[in-house]
Amino acid sequence: QQQVKQSPQSLIVQKGGISIINCAYENTAFDYFPWYQQFPGKGPALLIAIRPDVSEKKEGRFTISFNKSAKQFSLHIMDSQPGDSATYFCAASMNRDDKIIFGKGTRLHILP
Amino acid sequence: DVKVTQSSRYLVKRTGEKVFLECVQDMDHENMFWYRQDPGLGLRLIYFSYDVKMKEKGDIPEGYSVSREKKERFSLILESASTNQTSMYLCASRSTLGGGFFGSGTQLSVL
Repeated sequence: QQQVKQSPQSLIVQKGGISIINCAYENTAFDYFPWYQQFPGKGPALLIAIRPDVSEKKEGRFTISFNKSAKQFSLHIMDSQPGDSATYFCAASMNRDDKIIFGKGTRLHILP
Repeated sequence: DVKVTQSSRYLVKRTGEKVFLECVQDMDHENMFWYRQDPGLGLRLIYFSYDVKMKEKGDIPEGYSVSREKKERFSLILESASTNQTSMYLCASRSTLGGGFFGSGTQLSVL
């Protein structure tokens, strides 16, 4: 119930294309869904986050789509660039205890 | 600029040694976390703390302990290091309901 399932494990996208990473959760008590971006040798960095009262949030080329009834959320990267090549983690947390539970990550490679 | 600083970038220790990993945040955040990151397993929560002198076990606390004597500092302790604790260790902090900020990580090798 505490898990966040992320897919795919790896993704290759052409420059200019749309990268899509999907996550699913079981625990309906989760109320905060962040995405993190990690480059080699660095810690994860908060990219964008959403709460379940909205269905979509957009920041620049990055968009989170959230489907509360399906318990799924996804990250869309529009006009993907080689600099977006990184590992992406979805995550979820509850107000009650503030733990952040992570998916296993998606290694994204954008072809130049 | 927000900052979470981990004391060492790389660390090599011997089996059985006591290991201290230090983490300091400058954002006055209530919550601090220790994760380990292993290929294919993502980030797994070891311990977290939501206040000074408070600690909670995460998903994989065995073989670890923590200390939080001051709000800005959260230490991870390996009482007797073992080879299966070779990993990347990541510290994070967050304010209540906010996003988490991570340090750059400590790559620990136990020989």
